[in-house]
Amino acid sequence: NAGVTQTPKFQVLKTGQSMTLQCAQDMNHNSMYWYRQDPGMGLRLIYYSASEGTTDKGEVPNGYNVSRLNKREFSLRLESAAPSQTSVYFCASSAGNNQPQHFGDGTRLSIL
Amino acid sequence: GEDVEQSLFLSVREGDSSVINCTYTDSSSTYLYWYKQEPGAGLQLLTYIFSNMDMKQDQRLTVLLNKKDKHLSLRIADTQTGDSAIYFCAEMPDSWGKLQFGAGTQVVVTP
Repeated sequence: NAGVTQTPKFQVLKTGQSMTLQCAQDMNHNSMYWYRQDPGMGLRLIYYSASEGTTDKGEVPNGYNVSRLNKREFSLRLESAAPSQTSVYFCASSAGNNQPQHFGDGTRLSIL
Repeated sequence: GEDVEQSLFLSVREGDSSVINCTYTDSSSTYLYWYKQEPGAGLQLLTYIFSNMDMKQDQRLTVLLNKKDKHLSLRIADTQTGDSAIYFCAEMPDSWGKLQFGAGTQVVVTP
């Protein structure tokens, strides 16, 4: 009963490197989300996918791209990492609109 | 900045009740949520309340909603050391399922 699985759990990058964060859910959920968590700021939405085949920008999309590979998987890509992208990244999924979101354990990303 | 506001810190003695408060901004929010985050872990959904309800009780947890004042609270009865965590309030202000989080309240339970 995995729920939402994120890989990797930790990563250190150098400025300018690229990286894809992976997320998969096994709950047959329609909607998936990527958030970043920074100290004192709660979670902020980067991108979301309301259903398979669609993606939309959230509050802080700059510097990121996403791919909804299939119903299960939603990846987040940093094309050219910057120190300001050092954060903890959480993936979440929900059955649909107004349904509770279930979170993965996060990816802790440091960019030097 | 956040549209959802919470106090940042709460200290409570083991066995006492904890009350975590939250104010939100969008009166059209359909659902309001409480999540718990333990150190190094993801967010765990604790409970949620539909906007047409005033109160919801789930074992040791009681959620109170005052729509007029846009105020949400979470009461934890008989607080235990395992309740030490950061608690996030979140609203869903539109139909797209996007959550707006507060900054989180760190709850520290002392023996």
